[in-house]
Amino acid sequence: QSVLTQPPSVSGAPGQRVTISCTGSSSNIGAGYDVHWYQQLPGTVPKLLIYANSNGPSGVPDRFSGSRSGTSASLAITGLQAEDEADYYCQSYDSSLSVVVFGGGTKLTVL
Amino acid sequence: QVQLQESGPGLVKPSETLSLICTVSGYSISSGFYWGWIRQPPGKGLEWIGSIYHSGTTYYNPSLKGRVTISVDTSKNQFSLKLTSVTAADTAVYYCARETRGSGRVMFDPWGQGTLVTVSS
Repeated sequence: QSVLTQPPSVSGAPGQRVTISCTGSSSNIGAGYDVHWYQQLPGTVPKLLIYANSNGPSGVPDRFSGSRSGTSASLAITGLQAEDEADYYCQSYDSSLSVVVFGGGTKLTVL
Repeated sequence: QVQLQESGPGLVKPSETLSLICTVSGYSISSGFYWGWIRQPPGKGLEWIGSIYHSGTTYYNPSLKGRVTISVDTSKNQFSLKLTSVTAADTAVYYCARETRGSGRVMFDPWGQGTLVTVSS
């Protein structure tokens, strides 16, 4: 079981908006540790998509956005496109375990 | 542009030691940042293994129970991973990555291409 909990799968039609949740606890997200999101396209390397809760690296479309509140974080994708079909992982740090933690990953299917 | 490349044997026998090297180009390891290892078993999620600073300061995932050693060779701009007493559960794609650490933040960017290591006799 991952320290950070994500839904195993989400889906949406092209053009729609989807959100992926990442639920933690008081020793990681709730303690103020930043949440980062990675996109892993099929057969490729994970790529940093959102850093420090809500910041997009250069080159990432602004269709992708992130937020953090309390012990949870969310990734939102608007204007869904076929090429967004991928696995998405949240990541943070847990102070009680002294370990970098990843969510279990969410598979996004574009219908 | 920073690039990382993993290298090492793709097949390791059970109970033996897995050894990988990550070669960094486009950036001097001695200039800063931490450098980390992450693995992904086939069809599964990501697991942080550990990280090292150019000074030699290391952080390890306690779940690996002392089997991990990460070291750095600044003269070659490389850092390495050793995982002892491997079992089939250690079969995974192993990634190296540049790690930003500090002020409540630990994140990985960029990543190497990854190398599949299979543990089998």
